[in-house]
Amino acid sequence: RKEVEQDPGPFNVPEGATVAFNCTYSNSASQSFFWYRQDCRKEPKLLMSVYSSGNEDGRFTAQLNRASQYISLLIRDSKLSDSATYLCVVRMDSSYKLIFGSGTRLLVRP
Amino acid sequence: NAGVTQTPKFRVLKTGQSMTLLCAQDMNHEYMYWYRQDPGMGLRLIHYSVGEGTTAKGEVPDGYNVSRLKKQNFLLGLESAAPSQTSVYFCASNSGYGYTFGSGTRLTVV
Repeated sequence: RKEVEQDPGPFNVPEGATVAFNCTYSNSASQSFFWYRQDCRKEPKLLMSVYSSGNEDGRFTAQLNRASQYISLLIRDSKLSDSATYLCVVRMDSSYKLIFGSGTRLLVRP
Repeated sequence: NAGVTQTPKFRVLKTGQSMTLLCAQDMNHEYMYWYRQDPGMGLRLIHYSVGEGTTAKGEVPDGYNVSRLKKQNFLLGLESAAPSQTSVYFCASNSGYGYTFGSGTRLTVV
């Protein structure tokens, strides 16, 4: 079983739609949680950290459920520029190693 | 500009050849990492370093060696390249507060 699992998609949505991505992680000792965005043939870039209380950054909302070992990302009012692959990421220990999911691809169409 | 620089950006190797990928960071970060990314997969950790003179194995270390002789540089070596090592390689550094990724090295082994 993969340590971090995501639906690969693609999610194909019209501009303005709301879309949600889910992610599960297997190790209950995971310490920190993130969503990264990766554009085609580019390096991953941090989208947002995920906190237990849930957090929002503009059109993006992230939630964490430690009991279910589940992380989510909600994107409201999708823009064409949101088209990318979204990587669910967990950090395990003090060496700050990151464990990446395989990513969920989002396509936003006009 | 401060950041993580990877060289080379592209390389084609023949099976059995050796090469070294260089990662340089100018942010005085303690932690550095080498990941590989294959199609449809997330990033997988090859080796990492928690400080100058230290290295440790990650998830997929076989066929690779690393060195961290200077704090700012983290070298990834392939002693005898194999087609299975065809991939995109990303280097990253971390101060403990956030990751910075290099732009990647696309390696093809024929």
